[in-house]
Amino acid sequence: AQRVTQPEKLLSVFKGAPVELKCNYSYSGSPELFWYVQYSRQRLQLLLRHISRESIKGFTADLNKGETSFHLKKPFAQEEDSAMYYCALRPPGYSSASKIIFGSGTRLSIRP
Amino acid sequence: KAGVTQTPRYLIKTRGQQVTLSCSPISGHRSVSWYQQTPGQGLQFLFEYFSETQRNKGNFPGRFSGRQFSNSRSEMNVSTLELGDSALYLCASAEASGGETQYFGPGTRLLVL
Repeated sequence: AQRVTQPEKLLSVFKGAPVELKCNYSYSGSPELFWYVQYSRQRLQLLLRHISRESIKGFTADLNKGETSFHLKKPFAQEEDSAMYYCALRPPGYSSASKIIFGSGTRLSIRP
Repeated sequence: KAGVTQTPRYLIKTRGQQVTLSCSPISGHRSVSWYQQTPGQGLQFLFEYFSETQRNKGNFPGRFSGRQFSNSRSEMNVSTLELGDSALYLCASAEASGGETQYFGPGTRLLVL
């Protein structure tokens, strides 16, 4: 079954420390992968997608097909990074929103 | 362009009542999707509408229904509310039902007592 697993419900790190939010997926193929972020009292928004291979707000995510992972990383955490982060998957060839599978989310808390 | 708007922002209902939530997409967007967000289940897909047609429906009981109007505005209705329906209901719009980025609204927080 297609599944996205974010093993950590809460991740707390100090400001300036490296951050890694884990995401593992279950899919036999090459899905499209995303990270979404929801800051306090703000809307859920797309942070990055693996096909873009871009860095947004200092975050990067590398798709590891062998380990079926798409971990989100940032070398130096900032207080404004505190938010809820969702990893999501969409099977290839599907364009519908209904096919997007979200993980349960990880709340990132950056301590000063 | 104005973002996705949802009304009302907060709602308190009692069990057995029904509720209607509204979503206005970004101007020019024709695809609207609805999600239920809860702490335990995360984000779960409810429906997707495109050009007034329901394209897909998630695994929710028939008490959950929706529609889309010719101006792309969408409503979702939940009848015979249950305590477990308490959640944040998010609406997202996209230009079309394709691989484009979805833009989310602020959500309607529903509390069922």
